Amino acid sequence: GESVGLHLPTLSVQEGDNSIINCAYSNSASDYFIWYKQESGKGPQFIIDIRSNMDKRQGQRVTVLLNKTVKHLSLQIAATQPGDSAVYFCAENERNFNKFYFGSGTKLNVKP
Amino acid sequence: DAGITQSPRHKVTETGTPVTLRCHQTENHRYMYWYRQDPGHGLRLIHYSYGVKDTDKGEVSDGYSVSRSKTEDFLLTLESATSSQTSVYFCAISAQINTEAFFGQGTRLTVV
Repeated sequence: GESVGLHLPTLSVQEGDNSIINCAYSNSASDYFIWYKQESGKGPQFIIDIRSNMDKRQGQRVTVLLNKTVKHLSLQIAATQPGDSAVYFCAENERNFNKFYFGSGTKLNVKP
Repeated sequence: DAGITQSPRHKVTETGTPVTLRCHQTENHRYMYWYRQDPGHGLRLIHYSYGVKDTDKGEVSDGYSVSRSKTEDFLLTLESATSSQTSVYFCAISAQINTEAFFGQGTRLTVV
């Protein structure tokens, strides 16, 4: 719940601005990646995913970019809204095992 | 929450006592997971299951055991609870390899 956000890097943006949240992953064998959003007191909620044969995938107001060369993932949120305030996690899935490993998270704070 | 029920939602127990957490799904998904979430550590995989009676260890499996005797139920047992196991525990399910995992609402466990 409220303790999820402690000790996390925080990104503060103004309502209406675009947000970019970054994630570095560690396993070059990972071939599937997910971004999750977690609100206080709730479980992580799926936002968008991308497979390793893609560089970019777009959803509604969100875009995920994958750079396999440097093992980097980013989540772009367009026209950020107060309801986007949450902790965001990236997760990587190692090929053939379907085990999801999570990054440490970024707290997004949207100022009205 | 994608047909996932965790029970109990909150529990306080004493050091040295056994504790079992239950995850029940109605989605008939093959994969099930137990994660713990602590401040500064994000979500860490404890154990996962890739079918009935098929389980494997995750990153932080010491002190935990699991069982899956039916597709719909995945039990996490702390044989002898310690204060370091105070955490929020999440169950997740996934239908097949490289598809998203859906999370339950979590169980807050306090070991005193």
